[in-house]
Order: sequence, then C-alpha cells, then structure tokens
Amino acid sequence: EAGVAQSPRYKIIEKRQSVAFWCNPISGHATLYWYQQILGQGPKLLIQFQNNGVVDDSQLPKDRFSAERLKGVDSTLKIQPAKLEDSAVYLCASSLELSEQYFGPGTRLTVT
Amino acid sequence: GEDVEQSLFLSVREGDSSVINCTYTDSSSTYLYWYKQEPGAGLQLLTYIFSNMDMKQDQRLTVLLNKKDKHLSLRIADTQTGDSAIYFCAEKPPSGNTPLVFGKGTRLSVIA
Repeated sequence: EAGVAQSPRYKIIEKRQSVAFWCNPISGHATLYWYQQILGQGPKLLIQFQNNGVVDDSQLPKDRFSAERLKGVDSTLKIQPAKLEDSAVYLCASSLELSEQYFGPGTRLTVT
Repeated sequence: GEDVEQSLFLSVREGDSSVINCTYTDSSSTYLYWYKQEPGAGLQLLTYIFSNMDMKQDQRLTVLLNKKDKHLSLRIADTQTGDSAIYFCAEKPPSGNTPLVFGKGTRLSVIA
C-alpha cells in the first residue's frame, strides 16, 4: 500500500513570498490532516478535513494560511505571505479509522 | 486542557533496554500512541494502546499504560543503533474527530 505522498520535500522562500504544499493521502482515507512541526516541537494540527469538508481549523492562522481539499482526495496548503516564523516542517497525515494516522515525509520550509 | 509531557533526551548503550516515559493530562483519552521520527522523515506509527488496556507487546516494543497516574511508557528491548530517533507520545481525546495531541518528543541516542 502506497503511503502518504507530499511535495515538494524542501522549499526555501523569502519572507512575504507565497508557497504551496501538496498532499496525496493513502487511497480510501477520508480524513486528512495538516500539521506544522517547528524545530524541537511536536506536530501541531493546522487543519483537519473529513472528505472535502473542514472538521477543525481552529489553529490555522487564517490571515495567511489556507487549505483546500476540493475533491476529497488531494489537498493543498498555502501560505501567503510567508513570515520568518513559518519556517517549519509541514506534515500531512491521513486516516481511515479514528485510531490510526499515517504521516507523509513532510515538506521542510525555510523562510529567509 | 490537554498536555503531553516527555523528557527531551535519553542515551543508552547498544543492546540495553530503553524506556521512554510520557505523562498526559486528559484521563478520558481513548488511544495513546508512540511515533518514531528519523532525521528528515515524517512520523512513523510504532504502536498504540487503547485506554482500557494496561500493556501491549509487539516484538521488541512493550507499551505500559498506568491510567491512574496518566503515565505511558515505551520499552525497547535490545536497543540498536537504528533505533536512534525522536520518539513522540500522543494522546487522542475522546470526542470523535478531535486531533492527536503530541508531546515535544524524546531524542533517543544509542551508543555503540
């Protein structure tokens, strides 16, 4: 079974620029999550989708971050404009059962 | 509120057992997890335990859960250099779609 795919793996941008990340979850997984992992921290949930609907986006900085999952499969996360403090690894995860989440390799974002 | 605490570092000799500890605050959590993160990689689900269990064993891994003290531990028998990584404890609160809450991770260093 193929795992969660993410791209790009690495991205370096200047502050105030825009960036987008892509995630393809495990086939059949209805729930998709985007996490932000700052260096030295555990992952923090940004947004959770159930199919193409948002379940929880309470910790998403909506003035600059947006995410969509239009067809209930792939998802994109966008940051516009980026700030220095957005430097982190952005992890996508998916789950079929509530008990298990599977993570992708992450996108490491560096904002200079 | 929800909070998961872990010690930040652990160093063991190859062949010894490693014990990584975690405390959590939400006594009604349904599942508790251990994830492994190697450098530059996403989180790999190692094992999880349902809250009505007190022990789960899977090959070299043993999870112990003390619900009274809200304490979770992961024991790795015969620790190998390939076990060097960051280990994250996570809890799942009981409400259906609530996200996982992660600790900050314990960095395990295995000395040959």
